[in-house]
Amino acid sequence: KAGVTQTPRYLIKTRGQQVTLSCSPISGHRSVSWYQQTPGQGLQFLFEYFSETQRNKGNFPGRFSGRQFSNSRSEMNVSTLELGDSALYLCASSQQGRDQDFGPGTRLLVL
Amino acid sequence: GENVEQHPSTLSVQEGDSAVIKCTYSDSASNYFPWYKQELGKRPQLIIDIRSNVGEKKDQRIAVTLNKTAKHFSLHITETQPEDSAVYFCATTQQGSQGNLIFGKGTKLSVKP
Repeated sequence: KAGVTQTPRYLIKTRGQQVTLSCSPISGHRSVSWYQQTPGQGLQFLFEYFSETQRNKGNFPGRFSGRQFSNSRSEMNVSTLELGDSALYLCASSQQGRDQDFGPGTRLLVL
Repeated sequence: GENVEQHPSTLSVQEGDSAVIKCTYSDSASNYFPWYKQELGKRPQLIIDIRSNVGEKKDQRIAVTLNKTAKHFSLHITETQPEDSAVYFCATTQQGSQGNLIFGKGTKLSVKP
């Protein structure tokens, strides 16, 4: 089966800009979760979408948002970028939420 | 909310030795405990998981044990090989929050040939 894909793989932005990241889940998977990975904080949960509805949300500011489309593809958006938003953003898909398969991630650098 | 502590943060073993990584969690409602392996520059990969109704699960050289009373679970790797070198993350989630994985900080395992 084709794995989880994420685009773009690398991104450089400046402070104050916004960014949209995309995630295509494994075919048949209805749950997409997003995580932020940094050396200091590790893997932190951002939010989860299931059948186009946000089912869970982590402890991140409102600048971080997401959505899911009818084909289960998901996007996350970060507005008003800050230096501290530099991180690897990972999405993971699953059928119901468990057994999550991760994508390769999008590495975001904010200058 | 749920909190997961993972120890040790680094672990170095000789090839062929065993490695054990331990995690503790805080929420007694947690009922799913996966382990992920992340090689340098790659995505985390699920290597084994255990549900709360099972005490131990094995898959070849890898095993996971769960003690719900003490709220801790462990990853055991036997006959380690250099390709086992990676960062290992434990995680948990709760009933009703299946897509929300709470991760430990990770253990960097180095297997010396």
